[in-house]
Amino acid sequence: DQQVKQNSPSLSVQEGRISILNCDYTNSMFDYFLWYKKYPAEGPTFLISISSIKDKNEDGRFTVFLNKSAKHLSLHIVPSQPGDSAVYFCAASEGGGADGLTFGKGTHLIIQP
Amino acid sequence: EPEVTQTPSHQVTQMGQEVILRCVPISNHLYFYWYRQILGQKVEFLVSFYNNEISEKSEIFDDQFSVERPDGSNFTLKIRSTKLEDSAMYFCASTIGNTQYFGPGTRLTVL
Repeated sequence: DQQVKQNSPSLSVQEGRISILNCDYTNSMFDYFLWYKKYPAEGPTFLISISSIKDKNEDGRFTVFLNKSAKHLSLHIVPSQPGDSAVYFCAASEGGGADGLTFGKGTHLIIQP
Repeated sequence: EPEVTQTPSHQVTQMGQEVILRCVPISNHLYFYWYRQILGQKVEFLVSFYNNEISEKSEIFDDQFSVERPDGSNFTLKIRSTKLEDSAMYFCASTIGNTQYFGPGTRLTVL
C-alpha cells in the first residue's frame, strides 16, 4: 500500500537547468509534506516543507508546489548544481508531532555537467 | 547547528542476539522517532516517543522491539532477538514541531 508515490526512480538534468521532482499521495488525511535529500550512508537531510493550507513554499533555489485536488506535489530546483546529485525523498504526515512520516521510494537526481 | 547523533555507525551481530542502538536527539526537541531502511527499499516508520512513552507505532514495531529514554539525552532502540531480516539502516529523528531531523543512521548487519 503505497500512500506516497515517487514514480521516477531516477532523473538526469543538465547543470544550470531546472530539476522537477514529482510526488503523488493517496491519503487525504495528510496535511504536511516534506522533501528530504539523502546521500549514500547518510541520514535524510531536510530540504523544504509545505503545509496543506498553502500551495507554494520557496526557500532559495528550492520551491515546493502542492496541488491538493490532484494529491500531487513537486520540488523545483533552479538552477541545478552538481552538489544537488542525491536521492530525494518525498514524505508526508497527518499532523506532525507524534505522527510518523510516510516516505516515497525516492528519486535519484543526477546533475550532469 | 544542532544535530541528531547516533552510535554506533555500524553494528554486526549474530542472529538471536540483542542489540541496542543509541541516539542523542537535538536537545530542545520533544518528539523522538525510529525509522529503518532495508537496502533498496523506502524509509519506514517504526515508532514515535513523547513525554516518556510511545505515542505511535507501526506494524513493524512488534514485541521484539522496545524504546527507552534512560536519561535526559539518550534515546535507545532495543531489538531483543535479532533476525536476518532486521538487517537495515536504522535512523533516529527528533522534532519540536512538524519537521523531523534525522541522524546519520546505524547500519545493522545480522549474520
